[in-house]
Amino acid sequence: KAGVTQTPRYLIKTRGQQVTLSCSPISGHRSVSWYQQTPGQGLQFLFEYFSETQRNKGNFPGRFSGRQFSNSRSEMNVSTLELGDSALYLCASSPDGVRPNEKLFFGSGTQLSVL
Amino acid sequence: GENVEQHPSTLSVQEGDSAVIKCTYSDSASNYFPWYKQELGKRPQLIIDIRSNVGEKKDQRIAVTLNKTAKHFSLHITETQPEDSAVYFCAAPPRGSNYKLTFGKGTLLTVNP
Repeated sequence: KAGVTQTPRYLIKTRGQQVTLSCSPISGHRSVSWYQQTPGQGLQFLFEYFSETQRNKGNFPGRFSGRQFSNSRSEMNVSTLELGDSALYLCASSPDGVRPNEKLFFGSGTQLSVL
Repeated sequence: GENVEQHPSTLSVQEGDSAVIKCTYSDSASNYFPWYKQELGKRPQLIIDIRSNVGEKKDQRIAVTLNKTAKHFSLHITETQPEDSAVYFCAAPPRGSNYKLTFGKGTLLTVNP
């Protein structure tokens, strides 16, 4: 089975731009979560999707949004980029739709640099 | 919300020694405690987890212990090997949430040959 796939692997953007990150979960996994990883804050929860519905959102500004498609693939969008948005964005899928925070399978992440 | 504190932030051991990483959590309703390992430049991977109705769980050289009264859980790695070198993260779910995890800040473990 293929693992969680995230594209692109690296992104360089400038302040004010917007960016879209993509995540393909493991086949059969319907829950997709997104986390932001920075050296200072560690991993912080962004949001979780199941069957195209956002079920939970972390404490991030409205510039961070996402969606999930009928094939469970998910995208995350950040608008009006700020320098502080530079981070590794990790996507994770779970086989458990009831307790999706268990048995998370992470992708390799998208490293976003905002200049 | 849930607060997870992890100690130490760095740990250096000699090959063959044991390593212990400890986490404390604030929410007494938390019922699930995973540990993730992230090697340099790679994705985090679940290595072991424990539910609140169990006090200890082992898997070969790694084990996790849970003390619900004191609200702390620990990762134990015995007979460490250089390939155990990585950042280890503990996590716990905030109260009432089945959807997300609050992670500790991580422990960089270095195993010296």
